[in-house]
Amino acid sequence: DSGVTQTPKHLITATGQRVTLRCSPRSGDLSVYWYQQSLDQGLQFLIQYYNGEERAKGNILERFSAQQFPDLHSELNLSSLELGDSALYFCASTTSGGRNEQFFGPGTRLTVL
Amino acid sequence: GQNIDQPTEMTATEGAIVQINCTYQTSGFNGLFWYQQHAGEAPTFLSYNVLDGLEEKGRFSSFLSRSKGYSYLLLKELQMKDSASYLCAVHEDSNYQLIWGAGTKLIIKP
Repeated sequence: DSGVTQTPKHLITATGQRVTLRCSPRSGDLSVYWYQQSLDQGLQFLIQYYNGEERAKGNILERFSAQQFPDLHSELNLSSLELGDSALYFCASTTSGGRNEQFFGPGTRLTVL
Repeated sequence: GQNIDQPTEMTATEGAIVQINCTYQTSGFNGLFWYQQHAGEAPTFLSYNVLDGLEEKGRFSSFLSRSKGYSYLLLKELQMKDSASYLCAVHEDSNYQLIWGAGTKLIIKP
């Protein structure tokens, strides 16, 4: 158990819909990263937040948005869903200091029908 | 630009040794990570190298050569449970992110 939690574990929805994925980082970690992993693909970095502010952006679509709240939990919002958005979505948090080791949550498996 | 290369897939036999290579080209370097990921599960940390040389941890070892932009993960006494993807990731010192390789899928045969 990494200490990072994600809900829900599974999500099945239809094209055109909107969903929200939730992540709580490890106690004391200020940074949260979101990744998308399609079937048999590598990790695609989406976005990073640090202490409530956006710090880095990767290949995140305009239909996707995220935020980090004062209690440091983060939400990833996916809208106008398409079949190709079906994937595993991981959240990770990092330790303080320079090593930047990332601890991953169990992921949310999103299926768009 | 940033680039990390790993073989897509490797096959090995139970009880044997396998070496998974990773080469990288990044604008800076502040450490290299290896993660293991079983199908459908989250990546889990295996090793970290920031200085040249070999880091050994049980059946797993990781080697780094910064001058060559090269690392390898060595797995000994392979077990069926080692069947997984192995991800190489570099921490650039100019980035808050990790730059991830596409991963190497390791298949263990009896």
